Amino acid sequence: EPEVTQTPSHQVTQMGQEVILRCVPISNHLYFYWYRQILGQKVEFLVSFYNNEISEKSEIFDDQFSVERPDGSNFTLKIRSTKLEDSAMYFCATSDRENEQYFGPGTRLTVT
Amino acid sequence: LAKTTQPISMDSYEGQEVNITCSHNNIATNDYITWYQQFPSQGPRFIIQGYKTKVTNEVASLFIPADRKSSTLSLPRVSLSDTAVYYCLVGDREYGNKLVFGAGTILRVKS
Repeated sequence: EPEVTQTPSHQVTQMGQEVILRCVPISNHLYFYWYRQILGQKVEFLVSFYNNEISEKSEIFDDQFSVERPDGSNFTLKIRSTKLEDSAMYFCATSDRENEQYFGPGTRLTVT
Repeated sequence: LAKTTQPISMDSYEGQEVNITCSHNNIATNDYITWYQQFPSQGPRFIIQGYKTKVTNEVASLFIPADRKSSTLSLPRVSLSDTAVYYCLVGDREYGNKLVFGAGTILRVKS
């Protein structure tokens, strides 16, 4: 079964540092997403991406966040200047035309 | 997006059938009902999706009454490994739509 992969599995960073989270989508999927889940809370939508541009973003996805697909395979989420409250699991997802979304295993981001 | 209500938690024993009901009184004509499962420290995983009546796959069944204001996810003969959070989502299937997760139902399966 095809799967979404994410790297790293765990990232520890200091407040104010930049982090890049990487995702390899399922090859024939065209819509990509980032979600996050703070420990013990709901899964929250951050952004969706299609045809090399953002389709929709949430209020969480402010100017500190950016996404890109630099090489046609990886899909990345960059947080420019991390804050303590950015500590969470970050999930990449991709969808097929029925909008069944396939989630990756997640990156646990810890900001100290 | 239609609001969904589901129990916060449920307990079951191995080998039992588990039914988790979700209410969605404001479901729209174009909306589908989708269930996802999430294990600790993992991403959500699609289980099943339906529009009306009954849908069955190798993992679960989904029962949707004619008025579509509720739905029931049925897990046959659960095992310890079915312990997870189960989310009921309601929305149209337009390609690229975000998923809006609620708190879900924590299912604990005991031996």
